[in-house]
Amino acid sequence: DVKVTQSSRYLVKRTGEKVFLECVQDMDHENMFWYRQDPGLGLRLIYFSYDVKMKEKGDIPEGYSVSREKKERFSLILESASTNQTSMYLCASSPGLAGDPYEQYFGPGTRLTVT
Amino acid sequence: AQKVTQAQTEISVVEKEDVTLDCVYETRDTTYYLFWYKQPPSGELVFLIRRNSFDEQNEISGRYSWNFQKSTSSFNFTITASQVVDSAVYFCALRSYNTDKLIFGTGTRLQVFP
Repeated sequence: DVKVTQSSRYLVKRTGEKVFLECVQDMDHENMFWYRQDPGLGLRLIYFSYDVKMKEKGDIPEGYSVSREKKERFSLILESASTNQTSMYLCASSPGLAGDPYEQYFGPGTRLTVT
Repeated sequence: AQKVTQAQTEISVVEKEDVTLDCVYETRDTTYYLFWYKQPPSGELVFLIRRNSFDEQNEISGRYSWNFQKSTSSFNFTITASQVVDSAVYFCALRSYNTDKLIFGTGTRLQVFP
């Protein structure tokens, strides 16, 4: 079974702090994704990566950056956390090749609160 | 533009009732994929089903069934004889053939009461 793990289930940070959210997958997937989930808005894509050191902006990249130094690990970075970044963050992975009918596999999520 | 609409924000039923979750999508692509995910209170999204745009056959898996109709751009999900364990948020999602990105609906929260 594919397993996607996230470093923390719950995180509380102060405004202005630099925050790292880590995601690891164990199935050698090419693609990895970071979403945030907010009530009434569903899941919105922040960034995704289709290979090591490769990244693309999603729909809401402002205020975030990402790092993918190894294939299995994809980090989301909040350079200076703000209260409007309080949210649930979900990581996902999937095999490569856009033409294939694959699904994304999700981690358990990190609920981040910025005070 | 691509879009997924789940008009039902929240549905409450009593155990053993049947319930249908609606999903309407918009896309100009001729080849695409549709998905349903379940998010229980634990938070992790669980994949339920994938459907290809060229396969309109309905699918049944136990108490779950899916009705895909291209004519109305809908991919509805029915739970028969609902159970308390079905309580979750359900998301419908769309992906085009030539991209890795999923477009999610806003989700439907289903509460099944004993």
